[in-house]
Amino acid sequence: GAVVSQHPSWVICKSGTSVKIECRSLDFQATTMFWYRQFPKQSLMLMATSNEGSKATYEQGVEKDKFLINHASLTLSTLTVTSAHPEDSSFYICSARGPLLGSYEQYFGPGTRLTVT
Amino acid sequence: KQEVTQIPAALSVPEGENLVLNCSFTDSAIYNLQWFRQDPGKGLTSLLLIQSSQREQTSGRLNASLDKSSGRSTLYIAASQPGDSATYLCAVGDDYKLSFGAGTTVTVRA
Repeated sequence: GAVVSQHPSWVICKSGTSVKIECRSLDFQATTMFWYRQFPKQSLMLMATSNEGSKATYEQGVEKDKFLINHASLTLSTLTVTSAHPEDSSFYICSARGPLLGSYEQYFGPGTRLTVT
Repeated sequence: KQEVTQIPAALSVPEGENLVLNCSFTDSAIYNLQWFRQDPGKGLTSLLLIQSSQREQTSGRLNASLDKSSGRSTLYIAASQPGDSATYLCAVGDDYKLSFGAGTTVTVRA
């Protein structure tokens, strides 16, 4: 149980276009999801916390107008990279808060590799 | 702000040797600590989760200890195998967030 999926697994887009990444909890309801990005040979950096039915909370330095997050249901959160630039190329990973009440465990998706040309 | 440090950054051992990976954190007010494995270009695989009230967790050849007072955790991997080659990440959960270390990249030589 506690499986999280991401789609697509990889995407290539042209500079200036927008790209949407989906994060789904397959077998549990997730009121909270998290979005991370990881540059090559670096660790994961939290971008934002996504709560179902409310606005996302962004970490300092993350542009909320560039990285649009929508958590419209208890099983789906989306990250849209708007007007993408080559420096947005990265590995984006989502996670979802576990199903047990009071549990702070996060379950991670397999990641999405974004390349902006 | 929680700072998580992992030492060493890289480790190369012959097959069969035991692995010891270290993780330290600055704020002891944590809810849990997780160890993950990440293969190149892949997502995270959760290895062990230690709740703040626990001192260790074991799963097969893996054992992780937690000392909150000193801000340290250690991951032991017994009798290493080439398939254990990967990057191992330590993540500390405090409040609603996970703070990650930079990882230890392990190479097990056959």
